[in-house]
Amino acid sequence: GENVEQHPSTLSVQEGDSAVIKCTYSDSASNYFPWYKQELGKRPQLIIDIRSNVGEKKDQRIAVTLNKTAKHFSLHITETQPEDSAVYFCAATSGFGNEKLTFGTGTRLTIIP
Amino acid sequence: DSGVTQTPKHLITATGQRVTLRCSPRSGDLSVYWYQQSLDQGLQFLIQYYNGEERAKGNILERFSAQQFPDLHSELNLSSLELGDSALYFCASSVLASGGETQYFGPGTRLLVL
Repeated sequence: GENVEQHPSTLSVQEGDSAVIKCTYSDSASNYFPWYKQELGKRPQLIIDIRSNVGEKKDQRIAVTLNKTAKHFSLHITETQPEDSAVYFCAATSGFGNEKLTFGTGTRLTIIP
Repeated sequence: DSGVTQTPKHLITATGQRVTLRCSPRSGDLSVYWYQQSLDQGLQFLIQYYNGEERAKGNILERFSAQQFPDLHSELNLSSLELGDSALYFCASSVLASGGETQYFGPGTRLLVL
């Protein structure tokens, strides 16, 4: 089955700097890669996703890049703000008779004011 | 608010007991997924239902079972509870079951087994 590895497990950045979180996946058939943000004690919320027919997607300060050959995808947050502090999870799924999302282990991002 | 509801919000029970967690998906969503999140852990997929039928199974223990009813709400039953079952249980829903769809998470049920 799919295996998703996520790095780093913790990340601290100065407010205004950029943060990058990286994930690798094992199943070459995977074609959908969402990123979820989870604040303490709250539900995971989708912040951005990308499909395998796209190499990059951007939404304001958040961007995701996908390298299918290397089987890795990354989340980029620019101009970080205190409210970006949360745990971020990447996930992958093939969607071909295997609908379950396999999540990475999460990255705890702390923005230092 | 994602539109997915879960009850109860909190549940405290003793080892050996049985509990039922309930999830109502977003209006129009046919798929329901259940996840377990232990302290400082990631999200472990338990099981998925689509339009009343089991669709995919993950790391779900034999002591756990689930079902989806004709009105599309779902229940997760946890029996013979152990201390290690203490966790946050999320359900999520999506329109279809293609996997490549956004899953919307409910607020979770925090289960504490004493």
